[in-house]
Amino acid sequence: EVQLVQSGAEVKKPGESLKISCKGSGYSFTSYWIGWVRQMPGKGLEWMGIIYPGDSDTRYSPSFQGQVTISADKSISTAYLQWSSLKASDTAMYYCARMSPTYYYGSGSYFDYWGQGTLVTVSS
Amino acid sequence: QSVLTQPPSASGTPGQTVTISCSGSSSNIGSNYVYWYHQLPGTAPKLLIYRNNQRPSGVPDRFSGSKSGTSASLAISGLRSEDEADYYCAAWDDSLSGPVFGGGTKLTVL
Repeated sequence: EVQLVQSGAEVKKPGESLKISCKGSGYSFTSYWIGWVRQMPGKGLEWMGIIYPGDSDTRYSPSFQGQVTISADKSISTAYLQWSSLKASDTAMYYCARMSPTYYYGSGSYFDYWGQGTLVTVSS
Repeated sequence: QSVLTQPPSASGTPGQTVTISCSGSSSNIGSNYVYWYHQLPGTAPKLLIYRNNQRPSGVPDRFSGSKSGTSASLAISGLRSEDEADYYCAAWDDSLSGPVFGGGTKLTVL
């Protein structure tokens, strides 16, 4: 069974750093791209970026380039999303999601399995 | 402001058929597949329709998708109370070189 299990909820202050995680199991972690999606309170879904754990090839949405860093450790089947300096506007639910089909990122690819989400609250 | 446009809400009574629309442009829906997700309150999105009209295993045939030009639709027939959720459309965007989503439609079963 494919599973993406994310780290728990975080409460941080503005200016603090944060790294959240997403551990994949039940499939070949290095064969599928893993993306991150933001959902702000009461709002829709926004694609942030994506990584291929096999070689750490990473792409970012222009809206999030320079704002976050995506990484992965294939030895423990885990992808990460990190911030160096959080803002109150980063308060949101963050989802990781696996992109199918295998190996491929482009037209025709889509998110098929999602993590349970990590709620990040940034408040002074 | 989401790249794909959906109505913010839809409603129907049990047994009815409800249709949710999704409008895009030539760089996304017009030249790529459309996908639909539903999100029950407090849970992660779940894939409902892929490649315009394909259902993953386990999704009932009450759910169907279609696409025409730069628009797409999700139809839910035989509406049930458990269908009450948020529904999102998505598509690859050639300009972004990434996926884009609609703003979501909240479906209420009256």
